[in-house]
Amino acid sequence: EAGVVQSPRYKIIEKKQPVAFWCNPISGHNTLYWYLQNLGQGPELLIRYENEEAVDDSQLPKDRFSAERLKGVDSTLKIQPAELGDSAVYLCASSYASATGELFFGEGSRLTVL
Amino acid sequence: QQQVKQSPQSLIVQKGGISIINCAYENTAFDYFPWYQQFPGKGPALLIAIRPDVSEKKEGRFTISFNKSAKQFSLHIMDSQPGDSATYFCAANGKRGTYKYIFGTGTRLKVLA
Repeated sequence: EAGVVQSPRYKIIEKKQPVAFWCNPISGHNTLYWYLQNLGQGPELLIRYENEEAVDDSQLPKDRFSAERLKGVDSTLKIQPAELGDSAVYLCASSYASATGELFFGEGSRLTVL
Repeated sequence: QQQVKQSPQSLIVQKGGISIINCAYENTAFDYFPWYQQFPGKGPALLIAIRPDVSEKKEGRFTISFNKSAKQFSLHIMDSQPGDSATYFCAANGKRGTYKYIFGTGTRLKVLA
């Protein structure tokens, strides 16, 4: 069974440029998470989807960040415009349902903003 | 409070020794307490988890001890090996209707050969 797939793995952009990250969760997982992980820190939740509905986006900086999950499968996280402080790893995770335990993470997308 | 406080920030253990990492939480709505292991360049992966109806869970060399009254739980790695060198995160998730999968700040473990 394929795991959570994220792309790109690495992205370097100039500040004020836009960037997008893509996530393909494990087949059958209806819950999808986007996390932000700064260097030396734990993952911080940005947004959680139940199927195609964003049920928790309270930590998403909506002035520059947006996300979508079309047809309840793949998801895209976008930043526009990017700022220097956005340099971090963006992790996608999925699970069967929020009520269960284990999250399955992708390898992450490392963003560097110059 | 939705925080999970983890300590220590870093830990160095000799091969064969016991590694102990601690976490504390405040929100009694949490009912699932996992530990994740993360290697450089990889995403976190579930190592072991516990629910509050038991005080201890053991899987191989890894044990979670859970103290519901103190709102604390800990990870014990017995016979630590160099391959265990990684960053460990505790986490907590809430009951249905209160989901908030929260992670601790991480403990960087180094096991010396």
